[in-house]
Amino acid sequence: DIQMTQSPSTLSASVGDRVTITCRASQSINSWLAWYQQKPGKAPKLLIYETSSLESGVPSRFSGSRSGTEFTLTISSLQPDDFATYYCQQYNSYSTFGQGTKLEIK
Amino acid sequence: EVQLVESGGGLVQPGGSLRLSCVVSGFTVGSNYMSWVRQAPGKGLEWVSIIYSGGRTYYADSVKGRFTISRDNSKNTLYLQMNSLRAEDTAVYFCARGLSWVFDCWGQGTLVTVSS
Repeated sequence: DIQMTQSPSTLSASVGDRVTITCRASQSINSWLAWYQQKPGKAPKLLIYETSSLESGVPSRFSGSRSGTEFTLTISSLQPDDFATYYCQQYNSYSTFGQGTKLEIK
Repeated sequence: EVQLVESGGGLVQPGGSLRLSCVVSGFTVGSNYMSWVRQAPGKGLEWVSIIYSGGRTYYADSVKGRFTISRDNSKNTLYLQMNSLRAEDTAVYFCARGLSWVFDCWGQGTLVTVSS
């Protein structure tokens, strides 16, 4: 099974900050990685798929990248609506989610 | 407008069964990959099962042999039959439409509680 390790588990930041969330795969998943945003009591929302492709309607301040088996979600300038929990998902072999990163207001 | 609405959750005893439904509108369930994803209280997301447009199905190891995914194209509905339920199956269950294995539209979820 492919394991996805997300870091950090919690991130405190301020509006306007640039933040980065990392997800490391236990083996190669090529570029088959997606990112989701989830707010309390709500369903997840797809942000990015295939490492760096932005889902329609998602603001361009969100971006994704890859270096080997390490994947990064970057928010270039945090907005109030961005405080939420973020999950990575590999879909190279079945599907596995990371454990989540809670982005909190500092 | 694309919409997915789950139902069928509730309280069930360990060893019991439950069938979840997901009624979709705005697209055809039989023409898309459809999946179930669950989230235990206060925990992260766990993929449960997927059904391809061609009918092939896959399951997470944690539910294989106990859960069955299916669909009724005439009712535009996705199902998850859950048997031999365990306490660790307690979760909110979401249905989701897949662009392959990427889930672009989700329902609001239905809570399943397995407890005596």
